[in-house]
Amino acid sequence: TQLLEQSPQFLSIQEGENLTVYCNSSSVFSSLQWYRQEPGEGPVLLVTVVTGGEVKKLKRLTFQFGDARKDSSLHITAAQPGDTGLYLCAGAGRDDKIIFGKGTRLHILP
Amino acid sequence: DTGVSQNPRHKITKRGQNVTFRCDPISEHNRLYWYRQTLGQGPEFLTYFQNEAQLEKSRLLSDRFSAERPKGSFSTLEIQRTEQGDSAMYLCASSFSSGWNIQYFGAGTRLSVL
Repeated sequence: TQLLEQSPQFLSIQEGENLTVYCNSSSVFSSLQWYRQEPGEGPVLLVTVVTGGEVKKLKRLTFQFGDARKDSSLHITAAQPGDTGLYLCAGAGRDDKIIFGKGTRLHILP
Repeated sequence: DTGVSQNPRHKITKRGQNVTFRCDPISEHNRLYWYRQTLGQGPEFLTYFQNEAQLEKSRLLSDRFSAERPKGSFSTLEIQRTEQGDSAMYLCASSFSSGWNIQYFGAGTRLSVL
């Protein structure tokens, strides 16, 4: 069974601090997506990474796909209250099946 | 492109009633997925369609749940004889089977069973 473990589950930090959340698996994924979800809404796609070692930047967010395509990280620089939300990673594995992690709930304190 | 649309956004029902949700995917997408999400958890896969064919169903999808996509466009998810444990957010996503199969989500239908 393919699993995606996200850590930490919860993170509460002050505005302006930096943070990193992780998404790990023992399985290889052909691609990996990061989503952000706000309460009462559906997940919104942030980025897709497909190549081992790939790094993508989206303003203050930096996404990295591990060399072996089994793990990924999301780094946020100078966090702002608008970054608050549930961050989900999702990997595309065997048979096009998409596996979701349980998410990291991020709260940025003003 | 209006994105993935789900209706209704909220549904409150009494235990034992039947409910039906609708999902309209992104028009050029041939795959459509249904997920259930409870508070603080990631989405749990329920079922998916490629065009009008239902290709996979999760063990989470009990006999009270049925999904259809009769013309390969919109889909409906029906829950019969609802139970309090069915209370959750029901999410729909669509994708194009070629390429990376990236899924785009609707805003969800929040079901509350009293």
